[in-house]
Amino acid sequence: GNSVTQMEGPVTLSEEAFLTINCTYTATGYPSLFWYVQYPGEGLQLLLKATKADDKGSNKGFEATYRKETTSFHLEKGSVQVSDSAVYFCAFGGSQGNLIFGKGTKLSVKP
Amino acid sequence: NAGVTQTPKFQVLKTGQSMTLQCAQDMNHNSMYWYRQDPGMGLRLIYYSASEGTTDKGEVPNGYNVSRLNKREFSLRLESAAPSQTSVYFCASSLVGEAKNIQYFGAGTRLSVL
Repeated sequence: GNSVTQMEGPVTLSEEAFLTINCTYTATGYPSLFWYVQYPGEGLQLLLKATKADDKGSNKGFEATYRKETTSFHLEKGSVQVSDSAVYFCAFGGSQGNLIFGKGTKLSVKP
Repeated sequence: NAGVTQTPKFQVLKTGQSMTLQCAQDMNHNSMYWYRQDPGMGLRLIYYSASEGTTDKGEVPNGYNVSRLNKREFSLRLESAAPSQTSVYFCASSLVGEAKNIQYFGAGTRLSVL
């Protein structure tokens, strides 16, 4: 069935380190792909999206590329900051217009 | 810029009590959703409303009912709360119920059922 698998956390990095959070999906067809971020005590907000194969979504220094051949949408950032500490969710658009989420990856960035 | 507003932010219930979680959006969106977030589970869809006047079950609808009161408001009701319904509940909306569309989330309701 439809599902999202993302790397388990927590992930702890030092400031300015490189970040990769892996995400793969199982879905029918070629859905739109999303990364959402949840800061402590807040709701989810869209970080970036890609709607077709080879599209690259980017925002706030984060990037992810829609890889159809590997059904992946890995999140990357070249230099993380303390303010990036949050939980990151990979998701794709479902047939009901809903989102199918991964379990989330908690990122902690230390100064 | 209110976006999606959920009330209450926190609630503690005893087993068997009932309550309604309120959600309102001011973005003129057609589609609205209720999710629950449990540790290590990500978010799971409870119910959704593709448009005013329609509601449908999601992945985990048991123990819940919903009402799409008008285009702005979509409420979630627990008729007889159970400890298994302890969770964080998020309401979301999107312009239309298409897989490519961005969803906007409220800040959540943290519910504890004792």
